[in-house]
Amino acid sequence: GNSVTQMEGPVTLSEEAFLTINCTYTATGYPSLFWYVQYPGEGLQLLLKATKADDKGSNKGFEATYRKETTSFHLEKGSVQVSDSAVYFCALTDTTGGSYIPTFGRGTSLIVHP
Amino acid sequence: DTEVTQTPKHLVMGMTNKKSLKCEQHMGHRAMYWYKQKAKKPPELMFVYSYEKLSINESVPSRFSPECPNSSLLNLHLHALQPEDSALYLCASSQVKGRGDSYEQYFGPGTRLTVT
Repeated sequence: GNSVTQMEGPVTLSEEAFLTINCTYTATGYPSLFWYVQYPGEGLQLLLKATKADDKGSNKGFEATYRKETTSFHLEKGSVQVSDSAVYFCALTDTTGGSYIPTFGRGTSLIVHP
Repeated sequence: DTEVTQTPKHLVMGMTNKKSLKCEQHMGHRAMYWYKQKAKKPPELMFVYSYEKLSINESVPSRFSPECPNSSLLNLHLHALQPEDSALYLCASSQVKGRGDSYEQYFGPGTRLTVT
C-alpha cells in the first residue's frame, strides 16, 4: 500500500532560520507528491506539488524536489517568518494505482519565534 | 474561482439534535470529500462522492449521513452524535482520474463541531 512518513514535530525555529521538513514515501505506482499547509483555525491549502521525478515544486519561498531514487520530497525554505507557523502535511496521490484519493503524512508543526 | 465554502463555521449540538453541514464548490470538480480532523492530526477520510455517487464510505457510523444533491453541493447530516465526534469537519474537492495529471485537493475552511 501507499504511505507517507514525516518527521515528528514540533519544529521550533527563530525568524530567518533555514527550514527542512523531511518526507519520504512508499507507493505501488508512480505518485504525484504534495505539500499542504494548515494555518491555525483554517482548512488545508495546497502549498506546492510535483508530478514526476526531479520536478521541483515551489511557492511562497518554499521548495521541494521529487527524488525517486530516495523516495523523498523534503520541504525547504531559506528564511522562515513568524507567519509561516503552521502545520505542514506531505501527501501523495497514486493515480497509476487507480486512485485519486490522497494519502497524508502525520503532519509536522512549525513554530517560528521572532 | 478556487474556493470551497463550508457552513456553518462553528456548531454546538446536543447528543439528541439533528443538524447538517454544507459544502459548495464551483470549480467543476466531480469528486467531493468529507474528512474529520482532530487537533494536530492529519485529516481522516470519511466519505467520497464521485460524479454525485457515493464511492467510498470509510466505515463511518450511521449517525453521519452524507448527501450530494448535485455536482456543486455536498451535505453531511448529523444525528445522535457522541462527544467523541467533536472535531473539525473538512470538505474538499478535486478532479477525478482522466481529467488531468495531478489530483490536488481544494479544502474548505471547515466546521468546528462541538457535541455536548
